Amino acid sequence: GAVVSQHPSRVICKSGTSVKIECRSLDFQATTMFWYRQFPKQSLMLMATSNEGSKATYEQGVEKDKFLINHASLTLSTLTVTSAHPEDSSFYICSARNLAGRTYEQYFGPGTRLTVT
Amino acid sequence: GESVGLHLPTLSVQEGDNSIINCAYSNSASDYFIWYKQESGKGPQFIIDIRSNMDKRQGQRVTVLLNKTVKHLSLQIAATQPGDSAVYFCAENPPGSARQLTFGSGTQLTVLP
Repeated sequence: GAVVSQHPSRVICKSGTSVKIECRSLDFQATTMFWYRQFPKQSLMLMATSNEGSKATYEQGVEKDKFLINHASLTLSTLTVTSAHPEDSSFYICSARNLAGRTYEQYFGPGTRLTVT
Repeated sequence: GESVGLHLPTLSVQEGDNSIINCAYSNSASDYFIWYKQESGKGPQFIIDIRSNMDKRQGQRVTVLLNKTVKHLSLQIAATQPGDSAVYFCAENPPGSARQLTFGSGTQLTVLP
């Protein structure tokens, strides 16, 4: 099956610093990747849709200048949390849509636990 | 619409019993639905999907039922095992170029020995 990886799996950073999270599709090309945020005991909330070679589309209420997304290739999208604050602590999950698959088929990464102190 | 963050409903079942997890979806135009299993600290794992032109689909030990009239999905797990303990989410996929998923609020399934 299609595999999506995320790096790092866990990161702790100090308030005010920036953190970059990578999402890679390992064995397929992904035209579209999605970034989600999940707080404890809650559902996944879509933050943004990332398309290769173009600007990301952000959901309402998500600050594009704070959550920078770069989808530089068909296998890599990055999410940078800039000037992180404790309220940004969350579980960040990406998913990727297979270029060759059904348009609605998505594969999820294992998630990145961000803790801002 | 977007799922609102809520505390997860819980379901406890005895090992070996059947489990039924329910989900209400919001968009009557959604034509594709997926059930995901999420274990603690991990990403969602695909379980089974169903298109809107079907009302039932079976997999290995799992069955998904779709009732479009009342916008309701259910996931049935037969002979529930301890390894089935996890949070289960339904997701709907409305038509459109982005084909984004909208997740339900999830159900915490606990299998009792």
